[in-house]
Amino acid sequence: RKEVEQDPGPFNVPEGATVAFNCTYSNSASQSFFWYRQDCRKEPKLLMSVYSSGNEDGRFTAQLNRASQYISLLIRDSKLSDSATYLCVVKGSGAGSYQLTFGKGTKLSVIP
Amino acid sequence: DVKVTQSSRYLVKRTGEKVFLECVQDMDHENMFWYRQDPGLGLRLIYFSYDVKMKEKGDIPEGYSVSREKKERFSLILESASTNQTSMYLCASRDRVPYEQYFGPGTRLTVT
Repeated sequence: RKEVEQDPGPFNVPEGATVAFNCTYSNSASQSFFWYRQDCRKEPKLLMSVYSSGNEDGRFTAQLNRASQYISLLIRDSKLSDSATYLCVVKGSGAGSYQLTFGKGTKLSVIP
Repeated sequence: DVKVTQSSRYLVKRTGEKVFLECVQDMDHENMFWYRQDPGLGLRLIYFSYDVKMKEKGDIPEGYSVSREKKERFSLILESASTNQTSMYLCASRDRVPYEQYFGPGTRLTVT
């Protein structure tokens, strides 16, 4: 099983739609979880951290399900500017705790 | 404002050349990382460093070496460039806590 798995997409959604991405991780001892956003030909940037209780930042909601080992990102009222690749990121524990493991990303295109 | 800079945005080298990629961060971060990103393969960790003069192999260290003589600078060295090292190279830095990782703009290296 791959360490961090995401549906590569692309997800093509109209403006104003709600879209959700899921991500699964294999290491049950993983400590921290994040969503990064990467625009075309740009570097990844932190979008939000994911907490056990779930967290919301404007139109974005992230949730963690430790029992099932998955993370989700919900985007409401999609904007054209949300078009990007969304990377699910997991921080290991123990010997792997220095590293962040990145999923391959889910591509989102918001269309007018 | 947080900043990670890389020495070149685009680089073209010939097979067999020695290539140096430089990365500088101004945030006094302890941890620095080198990744390569290829279509369909996502971000893959080459090497990382958690302190000056310390280095650890990532997932794909073969054909690469690194140097960290000063805290702010982390260099990636391709001893003898090969065509399969054509890729986007991304440097990143991160403090011990919190875990937000900041990326440089990337160097697109082409080996001919």
